[in-house]
Amino acid sequence: KAGVTQTPRYLIKTRGQQVTLSCSPISGHRSVSWYQQTPGQGLQFLFEYFSETQRNKGNFPGRFSGRQFSNSRSEMNVSTLELGDSALYLCASSLWQSDTGELFFGEGSRLTVL
Amino acid sequence: AQSVAQPEDQVNVAEGNPLTVKCTYSVSGNPYLFWYVQYPNRGLQFLLKYITGDNLVKGSYGFEAEFNKSQTSFHLKKPSALVSDSALYFCAVRDGSDYKLSFGAGTTVTVRA
Repeated sequence: KAGVTQTPRYLIKTRGQQVTLSCSPISGHRSVSWYQQTPGQGLQFLFEYFSETQRNKGNFPGRFSGRQFSNSRSEMNVSTLELGDSALYLCASSLWQSDTGELFFGEGSRLTVL
Repeated sequence: AQSVAQPEDQVNVAEGNPLTVKCTYSVSGNPYLFWYVQYPNRGLQFLLKYITGDNLVKGSYGFEAEFNKSQTSFHLKKPSALVSDSALYFCAVRDGSDYKLSFGAGTTVTVRA
């Protein structure tokens, strides 16, 4: 069974640009979550989608947005990039059909903003 | 609001010795607790979870964790550590009514040969 796939794995952008990251969940998983990981702030929750609906959102500015498609694939977008957006962005999928489902993480997309 | 604390930034042990990584939590409802491990430049790998039932939970790679409700703790343990256990370990909690995990800051485990 294929795991969570994130693309691209590495990317470099400059301040002011925008970026789109993609995530394909494990087959059959309908929930996709996004997390930002930085050395200073650790793992911070961005948002969670289930069946194309955003169910929860973390404390990030509106420059961070996401969506989920009917096939459960998800994208997140960051506009007007800032240096502080440099991070590892992790996508995770889950069944979330009950309260007990663990998250399965992808390898992450490492974004560097210059 | 839910939160997790991992009081130790680093844990150093010799190979073959017991390993313990500490975690305390705070939630308003029933706690769903998880441990994950992260190797350099990789995503997080699920180790084990506590939902309900026995307070001692067994997981992958010989790890186990003990849930203690009165102390609001969920410490990760391994009876005999291996050099390959060296990694970054995260404790996480989910409030039963929420759709997100809250992670601790992480504990770097170094097992020396």
